[in-house]
Amino acid sequence: GAGVSQSPRYKVAKRGQDVALRCDPISGHVSLFWYQQALGQGPEFLTYFQNEAQLDKSGLPSDRFFAERPEGSVSTLKIQRTQQEDSAVYLCASSPLEWWENPQETQYFGPGTRLLVL
Amino acid sequence: AQKVTQAQTEISVVEKEDVTLDCVYETRDTTYYLFWYKQPPSGELVFLIRRNSFDEQNEISGRYSWNFQKSTSSFNFTITASQVVDSAVYFCALSEYSWGKLQFGAGTQVVVTP
Repeated sequence: GAGVSQSPRYKVAKRGQDVALRCDPISGHVSLFWYQQALGQGPEFLTYFQNEAQLDKSGLPSDRFFAERPEGSVSTLKIQRTQQEDSAVYLCASSPLEWWENPQETQYFGPGTRLLVL
Repeated sequence: AQKVTQAQTEISVVEKEDVTLDCVYETRDTTYYLFWYKQPPSGELVFLIRRNSFDEQNEISGRYSWNFQKSTSSFNFTITASQVVDSAVYFCALSEYSWGKLQFGAGTQVVVTP
């Protein structure tokens, strides 16, 4: 079956520009996560959705970052007024069950969006 | 504080050699889960194995094996008879029952040359 897909795969933005990154999770998956991966580092948690509810956004680095999942499937991560330090790979992952109750569940990752802010 | 430590930045081996990746974790939870993920050059994180804190039995799955020792908070991963296709970055990750977030180490780059 289809895995997690993300678009665009690459995005170059000028500093100050707004960007929107899309994630299509595996169909039927309840949990959806966004991670930020800086060069040479492991992924860092940004935010978590259970269906359409954003239950945890403690990892979002600033109020310029905003995420939504209005219908409980596709999610969008928006970064306003991009800065050079926002350059990273943004990974989306989904999991079939509610993560809070099932932290043992495997997360399935998409290929990521590589964002470069000039 | 870093909860998952992968001290090896890069390991280079010749094909057919064994490769062991070290992972040390830190948690106060009695219930937690440990994962290994592989990230090939394409960028997608691929799930390899999962272990829960109640099961210290070490297993072998194909060319992969792991050594989970709670006494030393280690969860090491071995690739036997490495192949060029094993070249990737390998991440160890921890999920704590009380915190519910997947926390990754910094990763170990494995380079397998023919």
